Amino acid sequence: NAGVTQTPKFQVLKTGQSMTLQCAQDMNHEYMSWYRQDPGMGLRLIHYSVGAGITDQGEVPNGYNVSRSTTEDFPLRLLSAAPSQTSVYFCASSHLPPSGNTIYFGEGSWLTVV
Amino acid sequence: DAKTTQPPSMDCAEGRAANLPCNHSTISGNEYVYWYRQIHSQGPQYIIHGLKNNETNEMASLIITEDRKSSTLILPHATLRDTAVYYCIVPDSSYKLIFGSGTRLLVRP
Repeated sequence: NAGVTQTPKFQVLKTGQSMTLQCAQDMNHEYMSWYRQDPGMGLRLIHYSVGAGITDQGEVPNGYNVSRSTTEDFPLRLLSAAPSQTSVYFCASSHLPPSGNTIYFGEGSWLTVV
Repeated sequence: DAKTTQPPSMDCAEGRAANLPCNHSTISGNEYVYWYRQIHSQGPQYIIHGLKNNETNEMASLIITEDRKSSTLILPHATLRDTAVYYCIVPDSSYKLIFGSGTRLLVRP
């Protein structure tokens, strides 16, 4: 998990609240992405970005917003938290293209929505 | 949908080789095969990746069939600490890194 930093590590939200999960990398990676992982399940892609100013949707984008104003940062915003968004969130980054380059993951952010 | 298919679970004895298969029959000529593992709910840990040739590093070996439609991850001497979920991933040109369900490997004492 070298170089990909996620904050906060743990967060409890009330239904309807908004918050931002932060992801930063110091490897000058063009590609960054966000995943969620529900208990006992695999990782599902939420949003991804191939460079500053460029973002796109993954498999499960509803309820989440992203932006990429710098190469280093890729924040994930929950607009109005719902209990269904209780999950572990992982950020990943790599050089472009991901295929052929090592893809690094952060250590995860545990989010509980009550 | 994930472009890979893996058995949901496998087990092996400690000290023996663990051979984890993956089918990726729709892989394109320039797409790499990646293997990651996840221990408990930690972040996925990179193991190895390859394109055509077999690859080996300090953690594992990757054997890719000549037609590239399947591959096998080999942990040569599995330890209890290798118990984890192993994911085989094929990133495509759309840059969507889609994970499947993975293989839950249990290493028995």
